[in-house]
Amino acid sequence: DQQVKQNSPSLSVQEGRISILNCDYTNSMFDYFLWYKKYPAEGPTFLISISSIKDKNEDGRFTVFLNKSAKHLSLHIVPSQPGDSAVYFCAARGNGGSQGNLIFGKGTKLSVKP
Amino acid sequence: NAGVTQTPKFRILKIGQSMTLQCTQDMNHNYMYWYRQDPGMGLKLIYYSVGAGITDKGEVPNGYNVSRSTTEDFPLRLELAAPSQTSVYFCASSYTLGDLIQYFGAGTRLSVL
Repeated sequence: DQQVKQNSPSLSVQEGRISILNCDYTNSMFDYFLWYKKYPAEGPTFLISISSIKDKNEDGRFTVFLNKSAKHLSLHIVPSQPGDSAVYFCAARGNGGSQGNLIFGKGTKLSVKP
Repeated sequence: NAGVTQTPKFRILKIGQSMTLQCTQDMNHNYMYWYRQDPGMGLKLIYYSVGAGITDKGEVPNGYNVSRSTTEDFPLRLELAAPSQTSVYFCASSYTLGDLIQYFGAGTRLSVL
């Protein structure tokens, strides 16, 4: 029973174009949503986050959008670069008794072709 | 600038063997975590620790034990390895519980045959 779902295992995009990675969640009690990026043979690294009370957060080429009514968030990368090729994990932070514990999706492998 | 260091990087175990996955961090973080990532799946929390001497179970703790005798070290023990424990194990740390940013090690790839 996945609380955080990434339904696209992979995405291929041309360099310079927009990459859109999607994530759905089921628990309306999550207070923050995050994206982590993972290169092969490395651990995940934090990329960007958004509070559940916001609908957009931007950091350079990366923008995360949150649609609470649809329980959906997306990560936009513009413009995409070959160095962005990695696995992207969507994660959510629980509150209440499990505060601090992150729940991860399965990941989406992004390939940016030159 | 070591951050979170995990050893070993790779290991093959026979069914029933035991081993300890080592994790150390040099950022003076109070909170440390162990995750496993099965093929095609997300990371699942095994155990976490909020400080020396204090540990708690995560989502998938069965078959594992942890200890936290120092702030820096958080070893994960497998007592009787089973094929279901074949996975990539990640250790992470954060300054506080609830920190959005967790710092991860490079992982230990474990195969149990």
